[in-house]
Amino acid sequence: KQEVTQIPAALSVPEGENLVLNCSFTDSAIYNLQWFRQDPGKGLTSLLLIQSSQREQTSGRLNASLDKSSGRSTLYIAASQPGDSATYLCAVQSGTYKYIFGTGTRLKVLA
Amino acid sequence: SAVISQKPSRDICQRGTSLTIQCQVDSQVTMMFWYRQQPGQSLTLIATANQGSEATYESGFVIDKFPISRPNLTFSTLTVSNMSPEDSSIYLCSVGVGGNEQYFGPGTRLTVT
Repeated sequence: KQEVTQIPAALSVPEGENLVLNCSFTDSAIYNLQWFRQDPGKGLTSLLLIQSSQREQTSGRLNASLDKSSGRSTLYIAASQPGDSATYLCAVQSGTYKYIFGTGTRLKVLA
Repeated sequence: SAVISQKPSRDICQRGTSLTIQCQVDSQVTMMFWYRQQPGQSLTLIATANQGSEATYESGFVIDKFPISRPNLTFSTLTVSNMSPEDSSIYLCSVGVGGNEQYFGPGTRLTVT
């Protein structure tokens, strides 16, 4: 059974810092991995999708990497801003369209 | 990509009643999904809804409690039946696009008193 864990559970950093969020999964047989952002009381916004054959994806200040063999993904946020404050979720696709979500990292960027 | 809307955005309901949540997509999609996010928790898949067939429920979720309709390729409903306070959650619908990426609606925040 696929299990997805995110570390740390919560993170508070001053504005401008570069930071790394971690996601680990127990079954390396995944189709892809997707990172989402969730603002309080809101739905999910897709940030980056990494196919199983890819090593990383970049969008603006965000960079996500994937190491299937070790069951790990990282989301790197450069030059963090207060607007980046949100909960970040990773999800792995283990079957056709079926996603298993991680526990999330609550990020707070202080001005 | 896909743009998804949900109605209602939030509701407060009494124990024992039912609520139907609507999900509308701006394009035709084969597969739609319903998730539950309990307070302080991550997302849990309730069921997969394909147009023209019965919904497929995940372990721990049953059709009598969470009946789902999928009348066409742009619309689905989820009903939360005979509600109890334990059903208080955010309910989200999502769609799969291009075989991989999932897009989510804004969610419906349900409080059961």
